[in-house]
Amino acid sequence: QSALTQPASVSGSPGQSITISCTGTSSDVGGYNYVSWYQQHPGKAPKLMIYDVSNRPSGVSNRFSGSKSGNTASLTISGLQAEDEADYYCSSYTSSSTLEVFGGGTKLTVL
Amino acid sequence: EVQLVESGGGLVKPGGSLRLSCAASGFTFSSYSMNWVRQAPGKGLEWVSSISSSSSYIYYADSVKGRFTISRDNAKNSLYLQMNSLRAEDTAVYYCACRIAAAEVYWGQGTLVTVSS
Repeated sequence: QSALTQPASVSGSPGQSITISCTGTSSDVGGYNYVSWYQQHPGKAPKLMIYDVSNRPSGVSNRFSGSKSGNTASLTISGLQAEDEADYYCSSYTSSSTLEVFGGGTKLTVL
Repeated sequence: EVQLVESGGGLVKPGGSLRLSCAASGFTFSSYSMNWVRQAPGKGLEWVSSISSSSSYIYYADSVKGRFTISRDNAKNSLYLQMNSLRAEDTAVYYCACRIAAAEVYWGQGTLVTVSS
């Protein structure tokens, strides 16, 4: 199975907004509303930031939002803060013989 | 409080075997599917395997199919990953993870597996 496609890196200044894309196929991202986004700081376990395309778990800032169009999901972070600097991964349910697939990850740098 | 604690990682030679364990607490382990996810040094997350609550459904990534076996013991609140025929590319931190609800995903701290001669 192929990983979902994410940009390797994005950057933005404090206060700005950035968007990270996650492109899959109709067998995963495009076919189901089961896209999640995770934030991972160095040496730490991933943290769920968005589930089911656009829902935020309790405790996650409303600066984080998710959406989907066709086979591409997106994570938008508004009002960038230094603490947002981390790696971000999308994941999706897949109808292939496996069950779940991750994106390759995007390193967010806050300038 | 939900806790997942992995153990069993270490250094193993190519072609060798290793068994990882994940001890779960703070939730009704027998009611939820469990997963193994790995992360090679400096690389991204890779889903490895999943097992349903009663072990009826098991899934593997193509990269480990035929070499790794996932299992669980609901009486012991434990998840396992038997890894055989290990390769250098299996070197990674292995996490166990559980989705208790759509908005609740818990991860362990990970255990490092290094495959090297």
